[in-house]
Amino acid sequence: ETGVTQSPTHLIKTRGQQVTLRCSSQSGHNTVSWYQQALGQGPQFIFQYYREEENGRGNFPPRFSGLQFPNYSSELNVNALELDDSALYLCASSLGASGGSDEQFFGPGTRLTVL
Amino acid sequence: QKEVEQNSGPLSVPEGAIASLNCTYSDRGSQSFFWYRQYSGKSPELIMFIYSNGDKEDGRFTAQLNKASQYVSLLIRDSQPSDSATYLCAVNVNRDDKIIFGKGTRLHILP
Repeated sequence: ETGVTQSPTHLIKTRGQQVTLRCSSQSGHNTVSWYQQALGQGPQFIFQYYREEENGRGNFPPRFSGLQFPNYSSELNVNALELDDSALYLCASSLGASGGSDEQFFGPGTRLTVL
Repeated sequence: QKEVEQNSGPLSVPEGAIASLNCTYSDRGSQSFFWYRQYSGKSPELIMFIYSNGDKEDGRFTAQLNKASQYVSLLIRDSQPSDSATYLCAVNVNRDDKIIFGKGTRLHILP
């Protein structure tokens, strides 16, 4: 157990809809990163938040957005869902390099299916 | 484009033997290196990290880093059927927490 939780476990949406995925980090972990993992691929970095500010972004369009809250929870929002958004969405928390450790610990993930 | 390359496998190893997993990375400035294990349908689990050239051992696992060759490997001694999983190599280029993952190597331990 990493102490990182995600909800929901599974989700089915239709193309064009919007979705919000949630993550609760380990207490004390100020950094949360979100990844998309398509079947048979490694996780792809979406973005990262540090102390409620976006701290870097991967090659994902603006319809992928996020929030981080002071209570170590965070959200990933995806607008205008496309079929290719079907994937496992992972959040990972860490102390962050500024906290002396860049080891990231993953939650169980949310499996999103877009029909 | 920063890249992390792994052989997708599957790599089949007899039970009790040593499994050797390899990874190369493109950015010479990379600072931190991680190995994650991922069982089918589950999320990645951190099993090893290494920052300095050389070997780092933890139980049956040994991570090896060669920055000059831009190469990192994971050895699993006394392989067990429970080691059958996909192993993901990950690199943090600037220790800024933006980790780049390889596609993973599927390992199959033969009973």
